[in-house]
Amino acid sequence: AQSVTQLDSQVPVFEEAPVELRCNYSSSVSVYLFWYVQYPNQGLQLLLKYLSGSTLVKGINGFEAEFNKSQTSFHLRKPSVHISDTAEYFCAVTHNSGYALNFGKGTSLLVTP
Amino acid sequence: SQTIHQWPATLVQPVGSPLSLECTVEGTSNPNLYWYRQAAGRGLQLLFYSVGIGQISSEVPQNLSASRPQDRQFILSSKKLLLSDSGFYLCAWTAQVGGTQYFGPGTRLLVL
Repeated sequence: AQSVTQLDSQVPVFEEAPVELRCNYSSSVSVYLFWYVQYPNQGLQLLLKYLSGSTLVKGINGFEAEFNKSQTSFHLRKPSVHISDTAEYFCAVTHNSGYALNFGKGTSLLVTP
Repeated sequence: SQTIHQWPATLVQPVGSPLSLECTVEGTSNPNLYWYRQAAGRGLQLLFYSVGIGQISSEVPQNLSASRPQDRQFILSSKKLLLSDSGFYLCAWTAQVGGTQYFGPGTRLLVL
């Protein structure tokens, strides 16, 4: 079975500063990795995903993530955040025959002026 | 393009009352469907998934049940709600096993 650990429950950051949201996973098989964003009282929106190929994945809203197999990590980064990036961010993992995603507990990103 | 709908958007129910939440998907056929619950500070918990009409798998034993009466309809039910059933319920679909899951807007349930 796979599991996901999001190391930070809350990340405060100033507007236009860079940010990294950390995600580590554990799995005995090859994995697919995802980052989702959730704005207040809304569903989850896919930011980006890693299935195979290049380990640097670019997503929407200027976010990117790097798959690091040796460190079993999939950290999310953005070079310059906006107030509108304030939201909950979830990392998730599955494998190619898995029916469901295993989610981390989420990281709350708070961007202030 | 595919869209996923959930209703109602919010619901306040007394303890012991029944529950029915509905999820429908448009623009695709034979999707895999999922129900998740999101409780405050606890991330997302998979409740049920379905790979076809009438096929339901339960991940967590509880007083909730799910049904899939039509290909693109997924219903979450309870005969008697508990206080602990409060939360944000999310439906999701995917075109294939291991594929990207797309989420609906969610239903916020408050049990009093």
